[in-house]
Amino acid sequence: DAGITQSPRHKVTETGTPVTLRCHQTENHRYMYWYRQDPGHGLRLIHYSYGVKDTDKGEVSDGYSVSRSKTEDFLLTLESATSSQTSVYFCAISEPGWGSYNSPLHFGNGTRLTVT
Amino acid sequence: AQSVTQPDIHITVSEGASLELRCNYSYGATPYLFWYVQSPGQGLQLLLKYFSGDTLVQGIKGFEAEFKRSQSSFNLRKPSVHWSDAAEYFCAVGAFSGGSNYKLTFGKGTLLTVNP
Repeated sequence: DAGITQSPRHKVTETGTPVTLRCHQTENHRYMYWYRQDPGHGLRLIHYSYGVKDTDKGEVSDGYSVSRSKTEDFLLTLESATSSQTSVYFCAISEPGWGSYNSPLHFGNGTRLTVT
Repeated sequence: AQSVTQPDIHITVSEGASLELRCNYSYGATPYLFWYVQSPGQGLQLLLKYFSGDTLVQGIKGFEAEFKRSQSSFNLRKPSVHWSDAAEYFCAVGAFSGGSNYKLTFGKGTLLTVNP
């Protein structure tokens, strides 16, 4: 298994509070991603990073911010949590490139977040 | 931007029967294509991938998929389903956009139920 650790694994928080989820990798992969998974929607990309301090938005980025100060860590912050952000959050890593096609995404085990 | 459609939300098959899960993609060039499987409460596991070359690719657990450019499809097949194959299956397309930025876009998933 790819060395990906998500923390916490479960969290319950109240509406309006900030929440930070952490993804830590030991593979030295350049790309890191945050997805959310909801029934009927599959996985939707929130933000991703293609290097230290290089990040970009995905399709559902509103209400979320990310930071990547080190290759191994990618943080997802819910600035002011809402009930619509109750979801399972997955981190993934990859090392694609024109000369290295054989690196698909490897996923962590997810963080289940409940906003009450 | 790339997109993925999995037309079947839920499929039920009998154990020992053959299986085909459909996936259609939209992308302007030849994409990188993947199938992932997710068991309840788990992360996503890669079943197989297609980048180029032979359009019939073999994966783990006896699965295979065929890339058909003319139909923009990448259907997943298995000749004989086992009860342990019950899970949710996700098709995904990966592509570069905006230079070196690489993203994976997922379909909404197909839930497979296997009857004894």
